Amino acid sequence: EADIYQTPRYLVIGTGKKITLECSQTMGHDKMYWYQQDPGMELHLIHYSYGVNSTEKGDLSSESTVSRIRTEHFPLTLESARPSHTSQYLCASSEPSGGEETQYFGPGTRLLVL
Amino acid sequence: SQKIEQNSEALNIQEGKTATLTCNYTNYSPAYLQWYRQDPGRGPVFLLLIRENEKEKRKERLKVTFDTTLKQSLFHITASQPADSATYLCALVAGYNKLIFGAGTRLAVHP
Repeated sequence: EADIYQTPRYLVIGTGKKITLECSQTMGHDKMYWYQQDPGMELHLIHYSYGVNSTEKGDLSSESTVSRIRTEHFPLTLESARPSHTSQYLCASSEPSGGEETQYFGPGTRLLVL
Repeated sequence: SQKIEQNSEALNIQEGKTATLTCNYTNYSPAYLQWYRQDPGRGPVFLLLIRENEKEKRKERLKVTFDTTLKQSLFHITASQPADSATYLCALVAGYNKLIFGAGTRLAVHP
């Protein structure tokens, strides 16, 4: 079992609210990722980070933002939630191993925006 | 565009049989390929990695093959058990440290 945690596990919220999804890992990994996954669909990378103060946008455009102030913490924020943001959000981390990084995933946050 | 295809239909097999899942890709030349297991409502869990110069990789009841000419990987579970029921994802490296995932194939092993 990987030491990567996400809270909350489930979130139901109204349109227009600001939300922050928490992700933390205790493995000391520099690289962290956020994915979005709809039921039966691929994971889509929305943000990633190579280390403290490093953040990059992924392949899927997202209205969310991320920050990386500490190695172990990589929160994702939605300033104004909309029903189109309803999805599962998965956080992951990896350690460098000659380009063959395997990723360790958290349990995910299932978000429902009404 | 780059694409990974996995059979979207669920694979139903009887306990004890070998399950074979397929991953096809186009417009990639990956140095390695990974397989993950995902249970409902959970994050994926890494299973195996195979490099482009390896034809086959084994781990306990799991076996992965990688054919760079066919642009295909096969994932086998021998002596399958109901506990193997899950969705299995293949993933390729695309760019520096970024993985591209297939949508996965759901496996159901019946007693």
